[in-house]
Amino acid sequence: AQTVTQSQPEMSVQEAETVTLSCTYDTSENNYYLFWYKQPPSRQMILVIRQEAYKQQNATENRFSVNFQKAAKSFSLKISDSQLGDTAMYFCAFVNGSSNTGKLIFGQGTTLQVKP
Amino acid sequence: ETGVTQSPTHLIKTRGQQVTLRCSSQSGHNTVSWYQQALGQGPQFIFQYYREEENGRGNFPPRFSGLQFPNYSSELNVNALELDDSALYLCASSAVTGVTGELFFGEGSRLTVL
Repeated sequence: AQTVTQSQPEMSVQEAETVTLSCTYDTSENNYYLFWYKQPPSRQMILVIRQEAYKQQNATENRFSVNFQKAAKSFSLKISDSQLGDTAMYFCAFVNGSSNTGKLIFGQGTTLQVKP
Repeated sequence: ETGVTQSPTHLIKTRGQQVTLRCSSQSGHNTVSWYQQALGQGPQFIFQYYREEENGRGNFPPRFSGLQFPNYSSELNVNALELDDSALYLCASSAVTGVTGELFFGEGSRLTVL
């Protein structure tokens, strides 16, 4: 069975600084996808960034980038130039590439507080 | 373009009762997935509906059931409510099943079971 672990329940960062959220996963699959989702307080969960396991290049979306270490089964999220609107709960998630449902397996989440 | 909407946003039930939660998928999306998110935890997959049929199910008992309608809206029904059913229930729609379909989530229905 696949598992996703986020070992940092809470983190904080000063506005404009950089923060890295950690995620490790366990799977015997070779074909899979990894995601970071953002869940602001009382608002919809939205996709931040997506990484296909077969791609060696780390995904980047504006201020958000990942460090994907396939051998170590590690998938961290780096937020550069943190903004107050980045305050949210962040979830790392895994999908088996052969899944017919796209069922996401989520980690426990990391609450990020961006301080002015 | 209308996003995913869920109703009700909050509700309180007592143990043993039944509840129905509703979800309207994003325009053009034919697939709906339901997740349960306990307080302080990550969401867990309950099931998915595609073209009015259940397309996959997580590790939830049969008292969790669902429906999808011809307009692709969906319902989640939970019978014989237990205290542990207290959670945020998230609906997510996508244009396709499988890993290529990006999920769009609603704000959720927060259920409290007393």
